[in-house]
Amino acid sequence: EPEVTQTPSHQVTQMGQEVILRCVPISNHLYFYWYRQILGQKVEFLVSFYNNEISEKSEIFDDQFSVERPDGSNFTLKIRSTKLEDSAMYFCASSELGTLYEQYFGPGTRLTVT
Amino acid sequence: RKEVEQDPGPFNVPEGATVAFNCTYSNSASQSFFWYRQDCRKEPKLLMSVYSSGNEDGRFTAQLNRASQYISLLIRDSKLSDSATYLCVVLRAGGGNKLTFGTGTQLKVEL
Repeated sequence: EPEVTQTPSHQVTQMGQEVILRCVPISNHLYFYWYRQILGQKVEFLVSFYNNEISEKSEIFDDQFSVERPDGSNFTLKIRSTKLEDSAMYFCASSELGTLYEQYFGPGTRLTVT
Repeated sequence: RKEVEQDPGPFNVPEGATVAFNCTYSNSASQSFFWYRQDCRKEPKLLMSVYSSGNEDGRFTAQLNRASQYISLLIRDSKLSDSATYLCVVLRAGGGNKLTFGTGTQLKVEL
C-alpha cells in the first residue's frame, strides 16, 4: 500500500537555526500539506500546496516558513530561524483529486528546538 | 465556539462493548467529514470518510446530520486494538482543502 514518508523522524536544533523537513508524498497525489501538533494539543493546519504554488496557509505559517517541491517526488518545509515554540510534531499529508480529498499522513518529524 | 468539538473522554469500556463518539462543527460551509484515529505519538490514520447517508465499515458506523452540524462514530464489539484517540475532522469547502481537527476522544478498551 503506498504511503507518505518523512525524514528525519527526529530533528534537534538550536534556536535561530534553519531546518528543512522532507516528505515524499504518495506518487499519484497532486495536493500536498503540512500540519503540526504541539505535544498534548490538536493537529493544526499549516499550508496546502497544489500545482507548484501555495493554495492556502494558516496564521501560523508566517515569513519564517516556506515550502518547496524541488523535484518530482519531494516536498519540503523550511523553517528559517527556529523558535522554542516551533517544537512540535510536523506531519506531511497528500491527497488526490476528488470530491472528498481524503488526506493521508506521513509518520511525522519530531522537531525539538533547544 | 470551537470549530470542531468533541468530548475528550477517556471512555473506558470492556472488550466487546459498543461505544459511540459525538462531534459537532460550527462552519455550515463544511464540505467533507472524516474520522481519523491516532495512536500515542503517531500520525493520524484515516479511519473512514463520513457520507451524508451514513456509512458502515465492518464494526464502524458513521453518521452525519448536516442540519444539526453533528457527526457520530459507533464502534461495535470493541477490541483491545481499538484503544486510541479518535479525531473528528472537517474539510471546509473551497480554498486549499484545509482539514480542521477536533481535540480527539480517547478510548481505552479493557479486558
